[in-house]
Amino acid sequence: QVQLVQSGAEVKKPGASVKVSCRASGYTFTDYYIHWVRQAPGQGLEWMGWINPNTGGTKYEQKFQDRVTLTRDTSISTAYMELTGLRSDDTAVFYCARYGKYGSGWSEKIFDSWGQGTPVTVSS
Amino acid sequence: DIQMTQSPSSLSASVGDRVTITCRARQSIITYLNWYQQRPGKAPKLLIYGASSLQSGIPSRFSGSGSGTDFTLTISSLQPEDFATYFCQQSYSTASFGGGTKVEIK
Repeated sequence: QVQLVQSGAEVKKPGASVKVSCRASGYTFTDYYIHWVRQAPGQGLEWMGWINPNTGGTKYEQKFQDRVTLTRDTSISTAYMELTGLRSDDTAVFYCARYGKYGSGWSEKIFDSWGQGTPVTVSS
Repeated sequence: DIQMTQSPSSLSASVGDRVTITCRARQSIITYLNWYQQRPGKAPKLLIYGASSLQSGIPSRFSGSGSGTDFTLTISSLQPEDFATYFCQQSYSTASFGGGTKVEIK
């Protein structure tokens, strides 16, 4: 079955960087985009960006543009999200999610599989 | 990107109640609207895709409707396991989420 397994919880100091991994299994990794979503404590879901595992192409939400980098290693079916310049308001759970298709149209997309989430705490 | 607005942000209801949650897009997204349920400490789970199609394995008490800019998620008879937070998400242009609706026990 499709599964996304993320790396474990992180505690970082302000100004540091964090790199979260997302290992995919149960499907062809290069066939589906991987998106990253941030959820601050008690808050909603905030889309951060996507990576095309086939080409390495990326797109980022403007507010994260200068601080986030999405990469992948196709040899181990793993996507990565690195966030730099951490601040206390980056304390959140970060999710990776597979963008699946329910039809042939470009917009007929759904988040059909999610990682378990990686809590990141930023504190001095 | 496309701003999505959900209402209400929270509601209290009893088991057996009919619950309706609204999601509004800033521009037309046709029917490229998905709904997710999130329980505390868990990842979101897909309920409805394409505005009105029920994801496999989801109980039929969940239904979705709407097109253009206005969408609705309805739970026809609330069950104890439905107390959770619900999010809408548009797939018309990249991806963005509504702010969420927390359904609490009255």
